[in-house]
Amino acid sequence: NAGVTQTPKFQVLKTGQSMTLQCAQDMNHEYMSWYRQDPGMGLRLIHYSVGAGITDQGEVPNGYNVSRSTTEDFPLRLLSAAPSQTSVYFCASSPGLKDGYTFGSGTRLTVV
Amino acid sequence: GDSVTQMEGPVTLSEEAFLTINCTYTATGYPSLFWYVQYPGEGLQLLLKATKADDKGSNKGFEATYRKETTSFHLEKGSVQVSDSAVYFCALRTGGGNKLTFGTGTQLKVEL
Repeated sequence: NAGVTQTPKFQVLKTGQSMTLQCAQDMNHEYMSWYRQDPGMGLRLIHYSVGAGITDQGEVPNGYNVSRSTTEDFPLRLLSAAPSQTSVYFCASSPGLKDGYTFGSGTRLTVV
Repeated sequence: GDSVTQMEGPVTLSEEAFLTINCTYTATGYPSLFWYVQYPGEGLQLLLKATKADDKGSNKGFEATYRKETTSFHLEKGSVQVSDSAVYFCALRTGGGNKLTFGTGTQLKVEL
């Protein structure tokens, strides 16, 4: 049972480039979320989904897009990378509203 | 809005010492409460949870009790080990909400 799988683990982008961070879970969880973790800022919610075909914005959605075409996959797209998007990105999934989230191991992104 | 306040770190303890990490929260409704642990270079792992008042969550020797009257969820362990060195996050999730609200994290360092 792999849990939540994120790829890539590390990425360096130039300002203005676009890319997609991949996230897949094999636990049949309905709820999925993307967080970014920055020193001194804790974890902040970027986007989330309550099921296939349904997504919504979190606290810091600007510059990011998501889609959820299947229960398993929840990719995060950076449209035009900026240095302010240098961060560690975590994808997470949860089976229900009272449950905790299972986190992936993260993608460390540097934008130069 | 919802918020979580944790004690500032870093906390440095000797092996076999008693650990307390304080966590208090503000939330509308009746949140579920969680403790997560993050080891260096890894994602967050769910350590324990409690979903209603007076529930006690426990795992790997760690315990926390959901205290509605004091809006607290303090993490305790009777005898810490060097392997417990990590960052600990308190978090809440309100019913109907898809967002985990995190505290800023408390770094624990256990020395021989």
